[in-house]
Amino acid sequence: QQQVKQSPQSLIVQKGGISIINCAYENTAFDYFPWYQQFPGKGPALLIAIRPDVSEKKEGRFTISFNKSAKQFSLHIMDSQPGDSATYFCAASIGGGGGNKLTFGTGTQLKVEL
Amino acid sequence: DAGITQSPRHKVTETGTPVTLRCHQTENHRYMYWYRQDPGHGLRLIHYSYGVKDTDKGEVSDGYSVSRSKTEDFLLTLESATSSQTSVYFCAISNRDGANYGYTFGSGTRLTVV
Repeated sequence: QQQVKQSPQSLIVQKGGISIINCAYENTAFDYFPWYQQFPGKGPALLIAIRPDVSEKKEGRFTISFNKSAKQFSLHIMDSQPGDSATYFCAASIGGGGGNKLTFGTGTQLKVEL
Repeated sequence: DAGITQSPRHKVTETGTPVTLRCHQTENHRYMYWYRQDPGHGLRLIHYSYGVKDTDKGEVSDGYSVSRSKTEDFLLTLESATSSQTSVYFCAISNRDGANYGYTFGSGTRLTVV
């Protein structure tokens, strides 16, 4: 049972373009939605995160849009650069005891071409 | 990644042999996690720990056991390795401080079971 569905599986964007990755979740108890970026041979690294009390969060060229009623959230990368080429994972978790166990999406391989 | 080390980085083992992967942290974080990463599945939680000698199962725990005798070390053991356990294994740490729920991941262990 996949609780966080991510699309597309892969994405090719031209330099300077906008990259958009979408995720949908099922469990309405989720209250924390991070995005992770992973380069080959490395572990994922936290990129940006949002809580359901806001509809958008922006950090530099990266923006999360959150739609609570639709149970969807997306990552937008503005002015995409070749250095952004990586695998991106969305995730979700429920706060509480035992730490926050993240449930991850299946990942999106982004390639930014010159 | 600074503060979290996984060993070994690569291992090839034969079906039926026991294997232990080690995660070592210097951040004194309370929570530690083991995930496996497979194409098409993203990252899936195997086991996690919320303190010394306090561990619990994740969604794909069958065939795996863990131990945490010290805050800094979290061991993942495959009692009798199978080919389906060929994967990249990531350890993560977190400290739920109310403001930042992010994980810090290690660089991973690539395990091949032949």
